[in-house]
Amino acid sequence: GAVVSQHPSWVICKSGTSVKIECRSLDFQATTMFWYRQFPKQSLMLMATSNEGSKATYEQGVEKDKFLINHASLTLSTLTVTSAHPEDSSFYICSATGGGGTSGANVLTFGAGSRLTVL
Amino acid sequence: EDQVTQSPEALRLQEGESSSLNCSYTVSGLRGLFWYRQDPGKGPEFLFTLYSAGEEKEKERLKATLTKKESFLHITAPKPEDSATYLCAVRGGGSQGNLIFGKGTKLSVKP
Repeated sequence: GAVVSQHPSWVICKSGTSVKIECRSLDFQATTMFWYRQFPKQSLMLMATSNEGSKATYEQGVEKDKFLINHASLTLSTLTVTSAHPEDSSFYICSATGGGGTSGANVLTFGAGSRLTVL
Repeated sequence: EDQVTQSPEALRLQEGESSSLNCSYTVSGLRGLFWYRQDPGKGPEFLFTLYSAGEEKEKERLKATLTKKESFLHITAPKPEDSATYLCAVRGGGSQGNLIFGKGTKLSVKP
């Protein structure tokens, strides 16, 4: 089945530094990847849609200069949180479509998530 | 605006006590209703996709059903390992493929 790998699974950084999170589709080509953010006891909120070879589409209220997304290949998308502040602390999860197998092309396959803590 | 509401927010069951989780939705042009399971600190794990009213899918102790306004996830004779948060999501006609999620139902099954 489709597998999405996300790294790192957790990261702690100082306020003002930048953090990069990687999302890889391991056994399929992902033409589209999605980045979500999840607060405790809240639903997953879509931050942006990342299409290979083009600029990401950001949801309303998401700062594109703070959350830089790059989708340079069909198997890799990265999210960089620039000049991180404590309020950016959250659980970030990527997902991808385009996988086949038992999941099917219509199903979003999610990574394991990355817990960011900004001190 | 596409919207998903899940109830209850939390559900505690004894092992073997069957129950149902509800997912109510409003969406323009449903292109799929999805159920995921999420364990603490992990990403969501795909369970089912339903596309049209009347459709049902089963997997072990879980059965998902769909009407034009809601979906149910029935859990038959649950076991402690079924404890998790169950997320419902929809894909609307205007989306680029992304999903709109509910807040989830946290299920706890006690032995």
